[in-house]
Order: sequence, then structure tokens, then C-alpha cells
Amino acid sequence: QVQLVQSGAEVKKPGASVKVSCKTSGYTFTGYYMHWVRQAPGQGLEWMGWINPNSGGTNYAQKFQGGVTMTRDTSISTAYMELSRLRSDDTAVYYCARDQGSGYYYYWGQGTLVTVSS
Amino acid sequence: DIQMTQSPSSLSASVGDRVTITCRASQGISNSLAWYQQKPGKAPKLLLSAASTLESGVPSRFSGSGSGTDYTLTISTLQPEDFATFYCQQYYSTPYTFGQGTKLEIK
Repeated sequence: QVQLVQSGAEVKKPGASVKVSCKTSGYTFTGYYMHWVRQAPGQGLEWMGWINPNSGGTNYAQKFQGGVTMTRDTSISTAYMELSRLRSDDTAVYYCARDQGSGYYYYWGQGTLVTVSS
Repeated sequence: DIQMTQSPSSLSASVGDRVTITCRASQGISNSLAWYQQKPGKAPKLLLSAASTLESGVPSRFSGSGSGTDYTLTISTLQPEDFATFYCQQYYSTPYTFGQGTKLEIK
């Protein structure tokens, strides 16, 4: 069965960076794009971008360009999302979500809470 | 960017009611629309894609319709487990965008 298992909660200071992992199993990792979506406390869903695990190519939302880096390690079927220069409004649950092939998501990670606080 | 406007933002209903949630895109999205249900502390669950295609395992009381810029999610007979927050998402073009959500509460 398809599984996306994310790394644990993080607490960071403003200006720091955070790297969240998304370890996959149950399918061919390089066959499906991986997206990242975040959700601030009590707020809606916000798309951050995707990575093509096969080529490593990426597409970031303009809001996050220059601050986010999505990478992957095909040897361990894991995707990563690194967010730099953290601010308090980056406090959110970050989800990885596997693209079904068109841009919507059946499989999601369990979410990783990133708290940015001084 | 394509803006997705959901209405209502909240809704109170009773078990057995029929409810409809609307999602309007700022430009045509050619049925590239998904609906998700999210319960507190959980990841969203995909209900429908392509505006009206019910995902595997989703009860048939959920249905979707629409075209162009206007789409609806209908729950024909509310069950206790349906109370949650619902989101629409357009995947017509990046940046993919979500509606602001509709919180469905028990009356």
C-alpha cells in the first residue's frame, strides 16, 4: 500500500531553516510528482510547489521562490522540502502529497508541524 | 493566479439534510477541480476529481457538478461522519489554488 511518512515536528527560531522529509513506499517513487502544501493554524491549504522525482525538476509558487528548495533522494524514495529564512508566519503544518498525474492528490503524508518562534 | 472562492464559509446542518457547497474560479478551469474533506488534525481526503468523478471508497451520497468557472459539491443525505471542512482545488494551472474552505457543522 502507498505510504508517505513525514519527519517529526520542528521548532525553529526566526531566520533559521527547516528541512522536512517525506519517505515513500508502496509505489515507484520516480513515477509520480510530489507536491508540498502547507496549512497555517486554523487556516486553509496553500500550494507551495512540486518536484519531479525522476528528473529533479521543480516548480515553485512565486510566493516561495528564493525561500524554498525541494529535493529528492531516489535511493531511499524520499522527498525533501527545505524552507529558509523562516518567519513567524511560516508556522504551519506542512504536507507532502503525491500527484495522481493531473495535479490532485489521493495520497498525503501525515503532516509536519513547523513552529517558528523566538 | 486563479482565485477560488468557496461559499458558504460555514454551514450548519442536520443529519439527513442535503447540502451544497459552491466553488467559483476567477477564470475557466475546464473541470480541473478536486474536492477534499478535512477533519481536525488530519490530512485532507480526496472526494472527487475532474469536478464529478467520485474517488474509490467515497460514498455515493457525495457528488460534484459544474463547468467553466462554477462548481458544486453536494452531499445528498448528511451522515454524522460528514461533519468536517471541505476544500475545492483547481489544478488547471500552477500555482494550484484552493478555496478558503467550508466548515460544515452540526445544527
